[in-house]
Amino acid sequence: GAVVSQHPSWVICKSGTSVKIECRSLDFQATTMFWYRQFPKKSLMLMATSNEGSKATYEQGVEKDKFLINHASLTLSTLTVTSAHPEDSSFYICSARDRGRGNTIYFGEGSWLTVV
Amino acid sequence: SQQGEEDPQALSIQEGENATMNCSYKTSINNLQWYRQNSGRGLVHLILIRSNEREKHSGRLRVTLDTSKKSSSLLITASRAADTASYFCATGLSGNTGKLIFGQGTTLQVKP
Repeated sequence: GAVVSQHPSWVICKSGTSVKIECRSLDFQATTMFWYRQFPKKSLMLMATSNEGSKATYEQGVEKDKFLINHASLTLSTLTVTSAHPEDSSFYICSARDRGRGNTIYFGEGSWLTVV
Repeated sequence: SQQGEEDPQALSIQEGENATMNCSYKTSINNLQWYRQNSGRGLVHLILIRSNEREKHSGRLRVTLDTSKKSSSLLITASRAADTASYFCATGLSGNTGKLIFGQGTTLQVKP
């Protein structure tokens, strides 16, 4: 079964509102999680590295004020898309590193965001 | 940033044929992984090959890694219609931080 869970699986929000996506590691503690974004028929683009207890590290070109990442506990990272626009509509997927299993990476099931 | 280039971008074959997908990368790596993704769904991890390995098998999958050429290939033998999906290589960078950089992907269609 899934060891990394994302919620919600899909969400529709209005332009200008904010939406939060959760990424949980279910049976291990993850000091490091990663957020990716995928446009239809495209590849996954790494957005940021989420670090438990400290600020996230954003990839070049990713607006940190637009995509807020909080990793307040060892099992939960959240991505908040602020003031969402239709161009933010995308598939967002997280992964978590399990140090106890040799740094194995587990991916969540992904979250579809549609901004209308 | 995307460091992986995959070819072909799209591949269409008949059931029973073999499918080969290639991936090239630019930087030093700790490992290279292959993933499968069905349309609109999450990723399924297929196989991981470490930088000191040259070949790995898992069922009908065979992966090779040539670090001198910074390239890898995924071979699916005796393909099935259910293998229809997008396939991505992802490089785990030196330091094994868990950060993965994905290639552009190959869309495979297996016709019954």
